[in-house]
Amino acid sequence: KNQVEQSPQSLIILEGKNCTLQCNYTVSPFSNLRWYKQDTGRGPVSLTIMTFSENTKSNGRYTATLDADTKQSSLHITASQLSDSASYICVVSGGSNYQLIWGAGTKLIIKP
Amino acid sequence: SQTIHQWPATLVQPVGSPLSLECTVEGTSNPNLYWYRQAAGRGLQLLFYSVGIGQISSEVPQNLSASRPQDRQFILSSKKLLLSDSGFYLCALGLYEQYFGPGTRLTVT
Repeated sequence: KNQVEQSPQSLIILEGKNCTLQCNYTVSPFSNLRWYKQDTGRGPVSLTIMTFSENTKSNGRYTATLDADTKQSSLHITASQLSDSASYICVVSGGSNYQLIWGAGTKLIIKP
Repeated sequence: SQTIHQWPATLVQPVGSPLSLECTVEGTSNPNLYWYRQAAGRGLQLLFYSVGIGQISSEVPQNLSASRPQDRQFILSSKKLLLSDSGFYLCALGLYEQYFGPGTRLTVT
């Protein structure tokens, strides 16, 4: 079954600290993997899209990694800011119909 | 640039009442359009997608329906709402990269 699992479910860190969010997937065949940021009450906004051949991709203080062999991805946030408080969602495109399979997200709270 | 409009922003409806949510897009033609629902504290669930006028694919059988009467208009409807229909409804466009609208918060009472 095609699934995307994210951990932790929620995370609280202090402003200025780094953190890493995890995403494991069982989607096959694999097309690409995306990380979205969703502020409360808003639609998700794309952070990165990674294809099979990409291991690392950065977008400002956000760095995503992908290990297609182990089917794992991580999102690393450096020097967190209060505005980073949001849900971070991992989405994998693939399967027989190349549909998008959405993870449940990690809720990140940055405390001053 | 592409813009997605959704309305209303919030809606409170009694059980058994009808529903109509509208999504319109600007800045693109013949887009792939999607309706998602997000229950409180849960991930996004794809409800419907459309690759063109009059073409609707349903991902989850339920009491909701969708229509695409115009190229840049996508409508989500229900004849009789259930309590379980409460949630945050998002319209999105795009295939390789998806862009989301502001959403409609629906509370069924």
